[in-house]
Amino acid sequence: QQQVKQSPQSLIVQKGGIPIINCAYENTAFDYFPWYQQFPGKGPALLIAIRPDVSEKKEGRFTISFNKSAKQFSLHIMDSQPGDSATYFCAAAGSSGSARQLTFGSGTQLTVLP
Amino acid sequence: DAGVTQSPTHLIKTRGQQVTLRCSPKSGHDTVSWYQQALGQGPQFIFQYYEEEERQRGNFPDRFSGHQFPNYSSELNVNALLLGDSALYLCASSFRAGGYGYTFGSGTRLTVV
Repeated sequence: QQQVKQSPQSLIVQKGGIPIINCAYENTAFDYFPWYQQFPGKGPALLIAIRPDVSEKKEGRFTISFNKSAKQFSLHIMDSQPGDSATYFCAAAGSSGSARQLTFGSGTQLTVLP
Repeated sequence: DAGVTQSPTHLIKTRGQQVTLRCSPKSGHDTVSWYQQALGQGPQFIFQYYEEEERQRGNFPDRFSGHQFPNYSSELNVNALLLGDSALYLCASSFRAGGYGYTFGSGTRLTVV
């Protein structure tokens, strides 16, 4: 019930394309859904996060779409650039009990071609 | 303002040995969580320390232990190292256990041979 499933495992797009990464969760105690970006040799860095009381959040070129009834959320990267090439992780956390720690998806390796 | 600092950055140990990894949290943060990230995988939660006590623990054996000091810094200890312990160990700090503003360090790459 703690699992967060992420797809696809890898993604290749052309510069300017809009890659979409999807995640699904099962634990209804989760109430915080962040996306992290990780470059080789670095720790994950928070990109954007959403709470379940909104269906969409935009920050710059990054947008999270959230579907509470389907227990799914996704990341869209508008006007993608080669510098966006990295591994992206979705995660989820709750406010109580065993859900309080971040549970991560398995990651999506994004390559943006010039 | 320094973020989360981890040391060492890389470490090679022999199977059966013991290792200690260190973490200094971001200024203003008082809670430290440790994660293990195997190659090609997402980080897995090990445990969290707040007010010098282990508050939560993930599905890791007792060979993994930790400590938090009065200045909020933390150590992760792993005893009787196995080849499977080879991974990137990440420290994340936040304000108050249960807070969501996690900041991750760059990690310690542990290789067990």
